[in-house]
Amino acid sequence: DGGITQSPKYLFRKEGQNVTLSCEQNLNHDAMYWYRQDPGQGLRLIYYSQIVNDFQKGDIAEGYSVSREKKESFPLTVTSAQKNPTAFYLCASSPQRTGSYEQYFGPGTRLTVT
Amino acid sequence: ILNVEQSPQSLHVQEGDSTNFTCSFPSSNFYALHWYRWETAKSPEALFVMTLNGDEKKKGRISATLNTKEGYSYLYIKGSQPEDSATYLCAPNYGGSQGNLIFGKGTKLSVKP
Repeated sequence: DGGITQSPKYLFRKEGQNVTLSCEQNLNHDAMYWYRQDPGQGLRLIYYSQIVNDFQKGDIAEGYSVSREKKESFPLTVTSAQKNPTAFYLCASSPQRTGSYEQYFGPGTRLTVT
Repeated sequence: ILNVEQSPQSLHVQEGDSTNFTCSFPSSNFYALHWYRWETAKSPEALFVMTLNGDEKKKGRISATLNTKEGYSYLYIKGSQPEDSATYLCAPNYGGSQGNLIFGKGTKLSVKP
């Protein structure tokens, strides 16, 4: 089946530790995205990538880093510099990064940092 | 900061009722509007992408309209079913085709059998 997978579903970390969230897609999409959801807020864009070896900051990139070494994979690292890392993280992809293409979402990872 | 408003925040209806909710957004530099359905414990799923003023799209019992001049879109559900229970998100984008989606907070619909 084609789709987007994110792992793990739940992740727990101690404050001060970096943590990497996985996102893989087999849809052959060029564009990939990372969003964050907090209670009572809309999804906010962290990073996006239009093509392999290219990525751009979104609206709330501080404290996060990404890589795009393969078309299928777009991992997100939450660093210790991120002040409020506890949140629900969603990965998405689209055929190209234009507003006329719908985005396909993964199931999400809930990160809890204590 | 662009403000995307969805109303109502939540809605409870009986099975068989028809319902509608609103997405309001700034009209300046508008490019496209996305609607997504997000069921609990599942991934958000695209419903519609609309770009032109006056666009109307339909998928089964769900339809949507778009007014880009005044900056709003309506989502209609005819004869609601329990499986329609979900949070409905709208997301416009701006500044041409390369703009990022700006998500509203969503409308949470609960349909009672």
